[in-house]
Amino acid sequence: EVQLVESGGGLVQPGGSLRLSCAVSGLSFSDHYMDWVRQAPGKGLEWVGRIRKKANSYSTEYVASVKGRFTISRDDSRNLLYLQMNSLETEDTAVYFCATSGSYGPLVNWGQGTLVTVSS
Amino acid sequence: DIQLTQSPSFLSASVGDRVTITCRASQGINSNLGWYQQKPGKAPKLLIYSASTLQSGVPSRFSGSESGTEFTLTVSSLQPEDFATYYCQQLNSYPLTFGGGTKVEIK
Repeated sequence: EVQLVESGGGLVQPGGSLRLSCAVSGLSFSDHYMDWVRQAPGKGLEWVGRIRKKANSYSTEYVASVKGRFTISRDDSRNLLYLQMNSLETEDTAVYFCATSGSYGPLVNWGQGTLVTVSS
Repeated sequence: DIQLTQSPSFLSASVGDRVTITCRASQGINSNLGWYQQKPGKAPKLLIYSASTLQSGVPSRFSGSESGTEFTLTVSSLQPEDFATYYCQQLNSYPLTFGGGTKVEIK
């Protein structure tokens, strides 16, 4: 059974930092691109970013609103995906989901999400 | 950025109804479109990819089609478990974008 489990969410003040993790099991993690998607309370889905696999140099893509503040990384030896979030803004308050994907491929497997609240 | 305009944003329907949701892209996306279903408090679930390919395990009452930059998700006979919010997503170019969502509620 494929499982993705996010962790690391919580309450943080504006301007602060937080690192989310996503533990993946039940599939060959290193063979997959990985994405982060977020959903603000009562709102729709917003794609945050993607990290490709080793064969694609672990290259990354981001939505403009987080570029320069968020960094996606991965540890294939531990089947872990990360989202380092710096300079957090109140608008970053959302449930953050990790998901498996591929080149032009859809987001197939999803975690349950972790809530990040940015507030003073 | 590619904009996806979903319509309607809200839909009231009865069990057994045929339901159609439309997603219009602001430019061509080469069939690189997925449809997802999301229930309250849950993660999205992939239904359709490449505009019309049914994801494994998804009931055959769900189907997808395309005509140019207009994409359609159809549920042939709505079941109680289908009441949810549906999103389209383009996977053709970055940043990947989602439509605004269509909430399907019980009439």
